[in-house]
Amino acid sequence: SQQGEEDPQALSIQEGENATMNCSYKTSINNLQWYRQNSGRGLVHLILIRSNEREKHSGRLRVTLDTSKKSSSLLITASRAADTASYFCATDSGGSNYKLTFGKGTLLTVNP
Amino acid sequence: NAGVTQTPKFRVLKTGQSMTLLCAQDMNHEYMYWYRQDPGMGLRLIHYSVGEGTTAKGEVPDGYNVSRLKKQNFLLGLESAAPSQTSVYFCASSAARGNQPQHFGDGTRLSIL
Repeated sequence: SQQGEEDPQALSIQEGENATMNCSYKTSINNLQWYRQNSGRGLVHLILIRSNEREKHSGRLRVTLDTSKKSSSLLITASRAADTASYFCATDSGGSNYKLTFGKGTLLTVNP
Repeated sequence: NAGVTQTPKFRVLKTGQSMTLLCAQDMNHEYMYWYRQDPGMGLRLIHYSVGEGTTAKGEVPDGYNVSRLKKQNFLLGLESAAPSQTSVYFCASSAARGNQPQHFGDGTRLSIL
């Protein structure tokens, strides 16, 4: 079963604009991670935010986490054509083994 | 640095045939995973391993078997392929438990006719 659900499913913007993607989940988590997948390639880890953190930055990426609403957002500022990819959130709900549950992803298209 | 390498990259099988997908990682990671990715379904965990000699079932294990005889290798087997197993298969690895990211290979595109 899917834990994280991204919204929107697809997003098209112009180069230079900001892109915001959201992720909602159902159960409590230890951490939430965002991944990027370029067409025909594997997933690449972008950023991890722990359940006791509210915001994290990495370059042009900003991630927020609201555990009371069970939601997270990924903001990409000053987008570039190279940011065109699918973005997935993944949740770690803890337990005895380290497993992630992935959402279905947001397809971001950045038009030059 | 190779990271996670999957072999083969593409394969076409006939229904009922068997095959093994190989995943190798050079990061000395304890944890390894096999996922399948289907349109509109995201990634679903098939099997995983928390160390050499261990395996465990994920979300969609039926029709697949795995083995982790060496720490760096994780094999996914299809004993009798079915059209429903047409998918893109991804292997990933991560360091020992502790909020670590997963590192993915570039996938194996498998078609079952």
